[in-house]
Amino acid sequence: DQQVKQNSPSLSVQEGRISILNCDYTNSMFDYFLWYKKYPAEGPTFLISISSIKDKNEDGRFTVFLNKSAKHLSLHIVPSQPGDSAVYFCAATQSLTSGTYKYIFGTGTRLKVLA
Amino acid sequence: DTAVSQTPKYLVTQMGNDKSIKCEQNLGHDTMYWYKQDSKKFLKIMFSYNNKELIINETVPNRFSPKSPDKAHLNLHINSLELGDSAVYFCASSQRLYGGANTGELFFGEGSRLTVL
Repeated sequence: DQQVKQNSPSLSVQEGRISILNCDYTNSMFDYFLWYKKYPAEGPTFLISISSIKDKNEDGRFTVFLNKSAKHLSLHIVPSQPGDSAVYFCAATQSLTSGTYKYIFGTGTRLKVLA
Repeated sequence: DTAVSQTPKYLVTQMGNDKSIKCEQNLGHDTMYWYKQDSKKFLKIMFSYNNKELIINETVPNRFSPKSPDKAHLNLHINSLELGDSAVYFCASSQRLYGGANTGELFFGEGSRLTVL
């Protein structure tokens, strides 16, 4: 049972336009939501996160929106640049009794920004 | 200076062999993880250790055994390798969250691509 889903396996956007990557989840108890970016032959790197008590977080060209009632979050990249071409993973954290967190990842969306 | 490093980066081996992947983090984090990315590119949690103590053990065959000699190291040993074990294995680490003061970001290594022939 996949608790974090990214239904679009790929997305192509023209340079300078907005990229919108979507993510849906099923567990309303998730604490944090994070976006990771992954280039080929590298590990995922952290991009931006949002607490479950917020609905928006912005960092430069990247903005994450959280709609708790719809159990949906999205990552907006404006303006998109060719260097943004990568696979983007959505992740959610689940509290554990040990005081640590379990990170659950979606399947990823491959973004291609066309020059 | 690499924060989370794993070795080897590539590993090709025959079915039935036993192999290990090592992971070290120099971030001072308490918690380390192993993730498996299979052919469908799904990043799936396998194990997590917090201060050398196993806290997450997903439904993983007994052939996979993690070992954490100290909180900076989490190694993965795989016995009797099977074709289906071919994947990229990622090590990661994080620090516990204290009152939401940080994002609890997960730091990944570069991955170890295991190919079983």
